[in-house]
Amino acid sequence: QQQVKQSPQSLIVQKGGISIINCAYENTAFDYFPWYQQFPGKGPALLIAIRPDVSEKKEGRFTISFNKSAKQFSLHIMDSQPGDSATYFCAASRNPEAGKSTFGDGTTLTVKP
Amino acid sequence: NAGVTQTPKFQVLKTGQSMTLQCAQDMNHNSMYWYRQDPGMGLRLIYYSASEGTTDKGEVPNGYNVSRLNKREFSLRLESAAPSQTSVYFCASSEAKHPSPTYEQYFGPGTRLTVT
Repeated sequence: QQQVKQSPQSLIVQKGGISIINCAYENTAFDYFPWYQQFPGKGPALLIAIRPDVSEKKEGRFTISFNKSAKQFSLHIMDSQPGDSATYFCAASRNPEAGKSTFGDGTTLTVKP
Repeated sequence: NAGVTQTPKFQVLKTGQSMTLQCAQDMNHNSMYWYRQDPGMGLRLIYYSASEGTTDKGEVPNGYNVSRLNKREFSLRLESAAPSQTSVYFCASSEAKHPSPTYEQYFGPGTRLTVT
């Protein structure tokens, strides 16, 4: 049973557009939800993260929206740029094993100039 | 700071051969992890170590062993490699940051392993 389901698998967006990636989780004990960005040939790097006590978190052009009742969270990339082209992973974890994340399968984002 | 380093970067093994993947971090983190990444399947946890001297199984531990040599180093061993272990292997480390704890994982650059 996959605990974190991510969609879509791939996404193509025009420069300046909004990219939206969705994730749904099963385990209500999860209390930390990070998003990671991975460029080809590199390891993933933390982009932004949220805890379930807030419904939204914004850092620059990146926003996480969190819906606790629906057990869903999403990443919005505003004014998408070609440099945002990468694979994005959502993840979830719970105390006290909060560093032990369960990852979604990833979304490959291509931003066309 | 080098962050998380992994060696080797690439490796080709024949079925049945053994090898050890090395990982080291210089951020004084207590927790370290080994993941494998397969196309279209995200990252799956193989083993993790919450602190020096402790290790525990993750989601896909079969065929692997680990050693937490000291706080800095966490190695992954394949005793008898199989083609199903062809993958990209990532080591990561983390530490809780207070207040409002966050648990950012720092990943190494990966080891690309092919088993023929």
